[in-house]
Parts: sequence; C-alpha cells; structure tokens
Amino acid sequence: EAGVAQSPRYKIIEKRQSVAFWCNPISGHATLYWYQQILGQGPKLLIQFQNNGVVDDSQLPKDRFSAERLKGVDSTLKIQPAKLEDSAVYLCASSPEIGTGMTAYGYTFGSGTRLTVV
Amino acid sequence: AQSVAQPEDQVNVAEGNPLTVKCTYSVSGNPYLFWYVQYPNRGLQFLLKYITGDNLVKGSYGFEAEFNKSQTSFHLKKPSALVSDSALYFCAVRAPGEAAGNKLTFGGGTRVLVKP
Repeated sequence: EAGVAQSPRYKIIEKRQSVAFWCNPISGHATLYWYQQILGQGPKLLIQFQNNGVVDDSQLPKDRFSAERLKGVDSTLKIQPAKLEDSAVYLCASSPEIGTGMTAYGYTFGSGTRLTVV
Repeated sequence: AQSVAQPEDQVNVAEGNPLTVKCTYSVSGNPYLFWYVQYPNRGLQFLLKYITGDNLVKGSYGFEAEFNKSQTSFHLKKPSALVSDSALYFCAVRAPGEAAGNKLTFGGGTRVLVKP
C-alpha cells in the first residue's frame, strides 16, 4: 500500500512569512495527525483529526498555526507568521479510525517536511 | 498526563555486541508502548509494540523489547548490533482505551552509533 505522502520535503522561509504543508494519508485511514519535531527532541502532537473533525488541538499554537482537513482525506498545516522557533520537521501520520479497536497498532508516518525559518 | 523518559542521549556499541536502549514511562492504567526508529531525512518507522500478553515482544530487524510493569520500563534490545542499526530511536506511550484518542507521547530519543 502507498504510504503517507507529504510535501514539500524542505522549505526555507524568512521570519514573519507564511508557509503551508500538505499531507495525504494512507487510503482508508480516518485519523490524521500532525506532529512537530524540533531538532534533538521527540515529536510533539500538534493536532489530530478524525475524518474532517478535530479530536485534539490542545498543543497547537492557534495564534499562528492552523490546519484543516476539509474532505476528510488530505490535510494542510499552515503557519502565519512564522517565527525562528518554528524551525522543525513537521510529520504527518495516519491510522485507522478511533473506536474500531485498530488504533492500538500504532500509526504510519510520512517522511516529513523540514522547515527552516531564517 | 502521560510521559516517556529516555535517559541516554546516545548509545555507542561495537558491531556484533548487544544493544540496549532504555525507556521508562508514566501513564494511568495499562499502557500501550511503541518503539520507532528514524534514519536521517526519513520519517519514523515502526519497530514493535506492546499492547497486552507476553512481556517480551519481538519486532522488525531482530529487535525485541521487554515490558516490565513494576519498573515501568520498556527497554529495546538487540542481541548483535549492526552498523546499519545506527539511527535515532524513539519510545512512545499511549494511554489505554479508545477514549485516549490514540495520542502518542514520545520520549526525547536516543541516538545509537554502532562502530565497525
């Protein structure tokens, strides 16, 4: 099966600019996650969708970050305006729907988008 | 709140020697535990998981991990390390039950360097 697709792979922007990342999950996976991985740290959950609804966005800096999954498939994560501390790898992951008993089997990650803010 | 600690930033081992990467966790209830590996410029790849049952779980590439409830640990092991095992390893925990929302909490990672 095809994996989780993310684009772009790399992005360099100046602070105060805006940027958007795209994710296409594994076909049939209802749940989609965006994680932020700062260099030298473990990934941190930013937002979790089930279909097109938000399950958890408690750690999303909502003053500058936004995410959507309008049709319950692809998702975009946007940062506006970017700060230097947003430099990180943004990982997208997907898993089967919560409540089906299948989510205990972990999820599949994409290769990530490496963002550098200068 | 759930948390994971990986006490070693880096582990160095000679090729052919046993490899151990340590992980301790904190979560309410019986945990779901995972190990992932990350190679340079790649996403995280699933290695193995503990959900229930036998405390010793076997995963990909010859890795195994032992769940120890009394010590709240889930150490990753490989009997004979290869140079190609050099990578960044992450332990993760999830609270049990669907109500937990399948949120994974990751440790800070341990870099493994296997020398020829």
